[in-house]
Amino acid sequence: DTEVTQTPKHLVMGMTNKKSLKCEQHMGHRAMYWYKQKAKKPPELMFVYSYEKLSINESVPSRFSPECPNSSLLNLHLHALQPEDSALYLCASSHGVGYTFGSGTRLTVV
Amino acid sequence: GQQLNQSPQSMFIQEGEDVSMNCTSSSIFNTWLWYKQDPGEGPVLLIALYKAGELTSNGRLTAQFGITRKDSFLNISASIPSDVGIYFCAGQNYGGSQGNLIFGKGTKLSVKP
Repeated sequence: DTEVTQTPKHLVMGMTNKKSLKCEQHMGHRAMYWYKQKAKKPPELMFVYSYEKLSINESVPSRFSPECPNSSLLNLHLHALQPEDSALYLCASSHGVGYTFGSGTRLTVV
Repeated sequence: GQQLNQSPQSMFIQEGEDVSMNCTSSSIFNTWLWYKQDPGEGPVLLIALYKAGELTSNGRLTAQFGITRKDSFLNISASIPSDVGIYFCAGQNYGGSQGNLIFGKGTKLSVKP
Protein backbone atom coordinates (compact mmCIF):
# COMPACT_ATOMS: atom_id res chain seq x y z
CA ASP A 1 0.00 0.00 0.00
CA THR A 2 1.67 3.21 -1.17
CA GLU A 3 -1.20 5.59 -0.60
CA VAL A 4 -2.36 8.21 1.83
CA THR A 5 -6.14 8.04 2.12
CA GLN A 6 -8.16 11.07 3.16
CA THR A 7 -11.84 11.23 4.04
CA PRO A 8 -14.16 12.83 3.30
CA LYS A 9 -13.35 14.04 -0.20
CA HIS A 10 -15.66 17.03 0.18
CA LEU A 11 -17.10 18.70 3.29
CA VAL A 12 -19.47 21.60 3.72
CA MET A 13 -19.90 22.87 7.25
CA GLY A 14 -21.50 25.78 9.04
CA MET A 15 -19.53 28.08 11.28
CA THR A 16 -21.04 26.51 14.41
CA ASN A 17 -20.43 22.91 13.37
CA LYS A 18 -17.85 20.44 14.64
CA LYS A 19 -16.37 18.09 12.08
CA SER A 20 -13.26 15.96 11.63
CA LEU A 21 -10.98 15.18 8.71
CA LYS A 22 -9.33 11.79 8.63
CA CYS A 23 -6.07 10.55 7.13
CA GLU A 24 -4.66 7.04 6.99
CA GLN A 25 -1.43 5.50 5.69
CA HIS A 26 0.00 1.99 5.95
CA MET A 27 3.48 2.62 4.58
CA GLY A 28 5.08 2.62 8.02
CA HIS A 29 5.91 6.32 7.74
CA ARG A 30 6.57 7.85 11.15
CA ALA A 31 6.04 11.47 10.15
CA MET A 32 2.61 12.81 9.19
CA TYR A 33 1.56 16.29 8.18
CA TRP A 34 -1.46 18.52 7.70
CA TYR A 35 -1.34 21.20 5.00
CA LYS A 36 -3.81 23.87 3.94
CA GLN A 37 -3.92 24.90 0.30
CA LYS A 38 -5.74 27.86 -1.18
CA ALA A 39 -6.47 28.07 -4.89
CA LYS A 40 -3.42 28.73 -7.08
CA LYS A 41 -1.11 28.70 -4.05
CA PRO A 42 1.39 26.13 -2.77
CA PRO A 43 0.48 23.99 0.23
CA GLU A 44 1.04 25.69 3.60
CA LEU A 45 2.27 23.56 6.49
CA MET A 46 -0.05 23.46 9.52
CA PHE A 47 1.08 20.58 11.77
CA VAL A 48 3.78 17.94 11.89
CA TYR A 49 3.58 14.71 13.86
CA SER A 50 6.72 12.69 14.40
CA TYR A 51 6.40 9.27 16.03
CA GLU A 52 2.82 10.14 17.02
CA LYS A 53 3.85 13.31 18.86
CA LEU A 54 3.10 16.83 17.71
CA SER A 55 6.44 18.34 16.77
CA ILE A 56 5.44 21.44 14.81
CA ASN A 57 2.42 23.72 15.02
CA GLU A 58 2.80 26.57 12.55
CA SER A 59 0.86 29.04 14.69
CA VAL A 60 -2.44 27.55 13.58
CA PRO A 61 -5.61 28.91 15.26
CA SER A 62 -7.04 26.72 18.01
CA ARG A 63 -10.21 26.10 16.00
CA PHE A 64 -8.04 23.49 14.24
CA SER A 65 -7.09 20.62 16.56
CA PRO A 66 -4.89 17.77 15.31
CA GLU A 67 -4.81 14.29 16.77
CA CYS A 68 -2.65 11.25 16.03
CA PRO A 69 -4.34 8.18 17.59
CA ASN A 70 -1.67 5.80 16.25
CA SER A 71 1.14 5.61 13.73
CA SER A 72 -1.25 5.06 10.81
CA LEU A 73 -3.95 7.62 11.56
CA LEU A 74 -4.11 11.39 11.67
CA ASN A 75 -7.19 13.45 12.39
CA LEU A 76 -7.92 17.15 12.14
CA HIS A 77 -10.80 18.31 14.33
CA LEU A 78 -12.59 21.44 13.20
CA HIS A 79 -14.73 23.73 15.33
CA ALA A 80 -16.14 27.21 14.85
CA LEU A 81 -14.43 27.74 11.51
CA GLN A 82 -14.62 30.90 9.46
CA PRO A 83 -15.43 31.21 5.74
CA GLU A 84 -11.77 32.09 5.07
CA ASP A 85 -10.85 28.61 6.31
CA SER A 86 -12.39 27.18 3.15
CA ALA A 87 -9.57 25.41 1.32
CA LEU A 88 -8.14 22.07 0.24
CA TYR A 89 -6.72 20.28 3.29
CA LEU A 90 -3.95 17.86 2.49
CA CYS A 91 -2.48 15.12 4.59
CA ALA A 92 0.99 13.76 3.88
CA SER A 93 3.34 11.18 5.30
CA SER A 94 7.07 10.64 5.01
CA HIS A 95 9.87 8.27 5.91
CA GLY A 96 12.32 11.15 5.53
CA VAL A 97 12.97 12.38 2.01
CA GLY A 98 9.95 13.68 0.12
CA TYR A 99 6.35 13.35 1.16
CA THR A 100 3.44 11.24 -0.10
CA PHE A 101 0.28 13.33 -0.25
CA GLY A 102 -3.34 12.29 -0.04
CA SER A 103 -5.95 13.58 -2.47
CA GLY A 104 -7.18 16.09 0.05
CA THR A 105 -10.48 17.19 1.55
CA ARG A 106 -12.17 20.13 -0.13
CA LEU A 107 -13.64 22.09 2.79
CA THR A 108 -16.25 24.79 2.36
CA VAL A 109 -17.33 26.82 5.40
CA VAL A 110 -20.69 28.53 5.03
CA GLY B 1 12.47 32.11 6.36
CA GLN B 2 13.59 30.24 3.28
CA GLN B 3 11.81 31.09 0.06
CA LEU B 4 11.89 29.53 -3.36
CA ASN B 5 11.47 31.51 -6.56
CA GLN B 6 9.83 29.39 -9.22
CA SER B 7 9.43 30.52 -12.81
CA PRO B 8 7.60 30.91 -14.99
CA GLN B 9 4.32 31.34 -13.09
CA SER B 10 2.38 29.97 -16.04
CA MET B 11 2.98 28.56 -19.50
CA PHE B 12 0.65 28.03 -22.42
CA ILE B 13 2.17 25.78 -25.05
CA GLN B 14 1.30 23.68 -28.06
CA GLU B 15 1.19 19.91 -27.79
CA GLY B 16 4.55 18.44 -28.77
CA GLU B 17 6.60 21.39 -27.52
CA ASP B 18 9.27 21.06 -24.86
CA VAL B 19 8.84 22.82 -21.51
CA SER B 20 11.36 24.14 -19.04
CA MET B 21 10.81 25.55 -15.57
CA ASN B 22 13.18 26.35 -12.75
CA CYS B 23 13.47 27.09 -9.10
CA THR B 24 16.03 29.15 -7.20
CA SER B 25 16.64 29.58 -3.51
CA SER B 26 18.46 32.05 -1.32
CA SER B 27 19.87 29.16 0.72
CA ILE B 28 21.07 25.65 0.02
CA PHE B 29 19.14 22.39 0.16
CA ASN B 30 20.40 18.82 0.24
CA THR B 31 17.35 17.53 -1.61
CA TRP B 32 15.24 18.95 -4.44
CA LEU B 33 11.87 17.53 -5.42
CA TRP B 34 9.41 18.19 -8.21
CA TYR B 35 5.68 17.57 -7.76
CA LYS B 36 2.70 17.78 -10.12
CA GLN B 37 -0.78 18.63 -8.90
CA ASP B 38 -3.94 18.03 -10.88
CA PRO B 39 -7.08 20.04 -10.02
CA GLY B 40 -8.76 18.78 -6.84
CA GLU B 41 -5.98 16.30 -6.12
CA GLY B 42 -2.90 16.22 -3.93
CA PRO B 43 0.63 16.78 -5.27
CA VAL B 44 2.30 13.72 -6.76
CA LEU B 45 6.06 13.29 -6.62
CA LEU B 46 7.65 13.25 -10.08
CA ILE B 47 11.38 13.34 -9.41
CA ALA B 48 13.63 13.52 -6.34
CA LEU B 49 17.23 14.77 -6.55
CA TYR B 50 19.76 14.02 -3.85
CA LYS B 51 23.18 15.26 -5.02
CA ALA B 52 24.47 18.54 -6.40
CA GLY B 53 24.92 18.24 -10.16
CA GLU B 54 22.65 15.19 -10.37
CA LEU B 55 20.62 14.83 -13.57
CA THR B 56 17.66 12.45 -13.31
CA SER B 57 15.04 11.36 -15.85
CA ASN B 58 11.58 9.90 -15.46
CA GLY B 59 10.14 9.19 -18.90
CA ARG B 60 9.77 12.51 -20.71
CA LEU B 61 10.76 14.41 -17.57
CA THR B 62 14.32 15.44 -16.76
CA ALA B 63 15.39 17.35 -13.68
CA GLN B 64 18.72 18.62 -12.43
CA PHE B 65 20.03 19.54 -9.00
CA GLY B 66 22.10 22.72 -9.44
CA ILE B 67 25.78 22.57 -8.61
CA THR B 68 25.42 25.42 -6.11
CA ARG B 69 22.61 23.48 -4.33
CA LYS B 70 20.47 26.62 -4.62
CA ASP B 71 18.60 25.78 -7.79
CA SER B 72 16.92 23.09 -9.85
CA PHE B 73 15.19 22.82 -13.19
CA LEU B 74 12.59 20.53 -14.70
CA ASN B 75 12.24 19.83 -18.42
CA ILE B 76 9.31 18.09 -20.07
CA SER B 77 9.89 16.92 -23.61
CA ALA B 78 7.21 16.48 -26.29
CA SER B 79 4.35 17.71 -24.10
CA ILE B 80 0.96 16.01 -24.25
CA PRO B 81 -2.46 17.19 -22.99
CA SER B 82 -2.22 15.14 -19.78
CA ASP B 83 0.84 17.18 -18.75
CA VAL B 84 -1.60 19.97 -17.84
CA GLY B 85 -1.45 20.87 -14.17
CA ILE B 86 0.54 22.83 -11.62
CA TYR B 87 4.16 21.88 -11.08
CA PHE B 88 5.76 22.65 -7.73
CA CYS B 89 9.42 22.52 -6.85
CA ALA B 90 10.31 21.82 -3.24
CA GLY B 91 13.55 21.98 -1.33
CA GLN B 92 14.30 19.90 1.72
CA ASN B 93 17.19 19.62 4.14
CA TYR B 94 16.62 16.05 5.10
CA GLY B 95 18.19 15.12 8.41
CA GLY B 96 18.30 18.65 9.76
CA SER B 97 16.26 20.02 12.62
CA GLN B 98 13.97 21.68 10.10
CA GLY B 99 13.68 19.01 7.45
CA ASN B 100 10.30 20.10 6.16
CA LEU B 101 9.56 20.77 2.52
CA ILE B 102 9.76 24.35 1.31
CA PHE B 103 7.55 24.80 -1.77
CA GLY B 104 7.92 27.10 -4.72
CA LYS B 105 4.84 29.04 -5.83
CA GLY B 106 4.14 26.71 -8.73
CA THR B 107 4.13 26.78 -12.53
CA LYS B 108 0.75 26.32 -14.16
CA LEU B 109 1.09 24.45 -17.44
CA SER B 110 -1.57 24.55 -20.13
CA VAL B 111 -1.20 22.44 -23.28
CA LYS B 112 -3.14 23.15 -26.46
CA PRO B 113 -3.86 20.02 -28.53
